[in-house]
Amino acid sequence: AAGVIQSPRHLIKEKRETATLKCYPIPRHDTVYWYQQGPGQDPQFLISFYEKMQSDKGSIPDRFSAQQFSDYHSELNMSSLELGDSALYFCASSSGRWEASQYFGPGTRLLVL
Amino acid sequence: GENVEQHPSTLSVQEGDSAVIKCTYSDSASNYFPWYKQELGKRPQLIIDIRSNVGEKKDQRIAVTLNKTAKHFSLHITETQPEDSAVYFCAASTGGGADGLTFGKGTHLIIQP
Repeated sequence: AAGVIQSPRHLIKEKRETATLKCYPIPRHDTVYWYQQGPGQDPQFLISFYEKMQSDKGSIPDRFSAQQFSDYHSELNMSSLELGDSALYFCASSSGRWEASQYFGPGTRLLVL
Repeated sequence: GENVEQHPSTLSVQEGDSAVIKCTYSDSASNYFPWYKQELGKRPQLIIDIRSNVGEKKDQRIAVTLNKTAKHFSLHITETQPEDSAVYFCAASTGGGADGLTFGKGTHLIIQP
């Protein structure tokens, strides 16, 4: 079965640079979530979208923004990167706003130097 | 906001024995409780979930129980196998509205041969 696709899988950036992470949900899934997971930590919810509208907001820094496009893929834009932004970034998707089961993608490993 | 406590942080059991991981949550509005298994560097994998209108759910060697009055839920793994070794996360959410998950800190399950 098709899964969530994330790109790139690995990304190295310098401090103060910008980064864009992409997420392609499971086919026919219209809800996307973004999570950040630091080393040895639990995933922290950042933001979610349903039908291209922001739905829920977690601990997303003001330097980050995200959107969902008409084909339901989503992008997480990260500006003024800091060393502490180094983490695994996961995208998850679910089918429908009231379907709770979230399926995670393989993640993007971001390293900020 | 929601707070999820998870215990123990590390659990070592003999192969073939049972393992139990416990979580408590704080927000009485939460009604969806998934469990994820995560191997090192990999994505969180949904292994079982339960809604608050159900007290117990079983899937082969895995079961989850929920006590909504006490606000706690548990994961039970029977007949443990080496491939069960991983970090297990419990989580909670309102179970809809594209709400993000609040995760526990994780339990490192080690299956001793």
